[in-house]
Amino acid sequence: EVQLVESGGGLLQPGGSLRLSCAASGFTFSSYAMNWVRQAPGKGLEWVSTISGSGDSTYYADSVKGRFTISRDNSKNTLYLQMNSLRAEDTAVYYCAKGRGASIMNAFDIWGQGTMVTVSS
Amino acid sequence: DIVMTQTPLSLSVTPGQPASISCKSSQSLLHSGGKTYLYWYLQKPGQPPQLLIYEVSNRFSGVPDRFSGSGSGTDFTLKISRVEAEDVGVYYCMQSLRLPLTFGGGTKVEIK
Repeated sequence: EVQLVESGGGLLQPGGSLRLSCAASGFTFSSYAMNWVRQAPGKGLEWVSTISGSGDSTYYADSVKGRFTISRDNSKNTLYLQMNSLRAEDTAVYYCAKGRGASIMNAFDIWGQGTMVTVSS
Repeated sequence: DIVMTQTPLSLSVTPGQPASISCKSSQSLLHSGGKTYLYWYLQKPGQPPQLLIYEVSNRFSGVPDRFSGSGSGTDFTLKISRVEAEDVGVYYCMQSLRLPLTFGGGTKVEIK
């Protein structure tokens, strides 16, 4: 069964750092682009970041560029999101999502259950 | 950025009746290679989104055939031929032609 399980969310103060993880199983992890999408409480979906299957190419929303870093460890089938200089507006459920193929121009066909990040003083 | 505009914001449907959701993009989503990078997702209450339709009109694995997608260029439609109780939730369109990837604001579907 194809599965994505996020972890690492929590409550922290503005300016803090956090690393999210997404453990993948049931598919050849290195063959697929992977993504992070977030959803603020009561709001819609916002794309955050994408990484190619090899990890060589990364892409970010302007709202997180320079503060967040996406990475992957294909030997561990795990996707990461390092989040620095966190702001209140980063408060959201963060979903890990598998690309439907190697290209970044693809649907997100499998989603994890999400992990909540709350930034508040 | 490509802006995705969905209408209506919400929809209340009698079970067994059809429903239709519109999604308009601020630029054509047709790639030079011939594909159109428009997708539809459903987020059921308390759940992560799930892929329904990819590249305008292709149903994802396991998606019932009462769901269909159509459109081209900048105008797209998701249709549910006969709404069932399990179809409640928020529907989102998304484009992946250009970065940043962008979603529509969502259409909430409720059952009467």
